Amino acid sequence: NAGVMQNPRHLVRRRGQEARLRCSPMKGHSHVYWYRQLPEEGLKFMVYLQKENIIDESGMPKERFSAEFPKEGPSILRIQQVVRGDSAAYFCASSRGRYPEGYGYTFGSGTRLTVV
Amino acid sequence: TQLLEQSPQFLSIQEGENLTVYCNSSSVFSSLQWYRQEPGEGPVLLVTVVTGGEVKKLKRLTFQFGDARKDSSLHITAAQPGDTGLYLCAGPGDSGGSNYKLTFGKGTLLTVNP
Repeated sequence: NAGVMQNPRHLVRRRGQEARLRCSPMKGHSHVYWYRQLPEEGLKFMVYLQKENIIDESGMPKERFSAEFPKEGPSILRIQQVVRGDSAAYFCASSRGRYPEGYGYTFGSGTRLTVV
Repeated sequence: TQLLEQSPQFLSIQEGENLTVYCNSSSVFSSLQWYRQEPGEGPVLLVTVVTGGEVKKLKRLTFQFGDARKDSSLHITAAQPGDTGLYLCAGPGDSGGSNYKLTFGKGTLLTVNP
């Protein structure tokens, strides 16, 4: 595992469908963060998870969005009943420790969600 | 709310020229990170600066953290087409132990023409 793996790279959904974005962290990393990048805006924090725990979901819309990081398998960001405003690039990052300063964030290549 | 303002928003230069991009805030940050993002890819960490006044060099890239830890700059010497990309600065939140939550600037989109 050379890096943070996200799939799919591109996802097209019709309004009202569900979108599932997957993220496998780097080997040895147990902290996962999701960020969203909207056109003309910077990256915005959504949620921070450790294995089986949501640590901080303060940046995630309360409706329709959920995230999990199960004991086995990748982290999943789930968007129900997608709307056009959900179209964005979603990035996952992982780190060895909680604080990025000493270890740094490693980001995946992202999933570009387009809602039609 | 911590905000990071980056300038210029766009920069187009010729190969071989020097350039400086800036990252400013009214808030003090315990550290700042610089990332480069290429089209269709995720941000890649270039450097983390921690100490006020710190200067770090990465080949032709020089990063400086302001003495008051409110601003930072990135200077590129003899730019090459491979330097083309979106340069982002980011700082950790420092309220209530949320230092894992990065605040990003909107970035400087650099184009280096051959």
